[in-house]
Amino acid sequence: EAQVTQNPRYLITVTGKKLTVTCSQNMNHEYMSWYRQDPGLGLRQIYYSMNVEVTDKGDVPEGYKVSRKEKRNFPLILESPSPNQTSLYFCASSLAPNQPQHFGDGTRLSIL
Amino acid sequence: GEDVEQSLFLSVREGDSSVINCTYTDSSSTYLYWYKQEPGAGLQLLTYIFSNMDMKQDQRLTVLLNKKDKHLSLRIADTQTGDSAIYFCAERDPMDSSYKLIFGSGTRLLVRP
Repeated sequence: EAQVTQNPRYLITVTGKKLTVTCSQNMNHEYMSWYRQDPGLGLRQIYYSMNVEVTDKGDVPEGYKVSRKEKRNFPLILESPSPNQTSLYFCASSLAPNQPQHFGDGTRLSIL
Repeated sequence: GEDVEQSLFLSVREGDSSVINCTYTDSSSTYLYWYKQEPGAGLQLLTYIFSNMDMKQDQRLTVLLNKKDKHLSLRIADTQTGDSAIYFCAERDPMDSSYKLIFGSGTRLLVRP
């Protein structure tokens, strides 16, 4: 089944403890992206990747890192999480940048 | 910058049609999308339309685009209780090198039995 898989789905952690949210797609998609969803602010793009080893900042990249070593994986790294990064995170991918984006089921992070 | 606006809430009776409205501000040609979000789930792509089209129909879904007024609507025919969800309108500016989607705040559709 074609899908975008995120792990974990839920995580409660503490300030400063490094964490990684994984994202994997099995559709051989070139383009991948991370968004965060916050009440009243909608979804905002954090980082995106056009292809392997090509990543760039979105609108709200502060406090996040990404990597794209393989086409299928696009992990989101929070080196030193802070409470303002408590949010619902979505990974998305598309066959090419100009094609419709397909989303994962989301990861709810709570940083205490 | 770009902005996408939607009404927050819509309640309809099962079997009726639902119409969810969206306005956008980007004046360049753009792609426009409708996504559905059910509780605890991700965003499911329902349909999309390019701004040189007026209408697109896909089974129970009809998308209407008024480019002059920058108004997009999603009509769901014969609405079912399983259609209860949050519906997001989103646009993408083809000139934006990030290819990011700009989302509205979502319309919560409640279908009453």
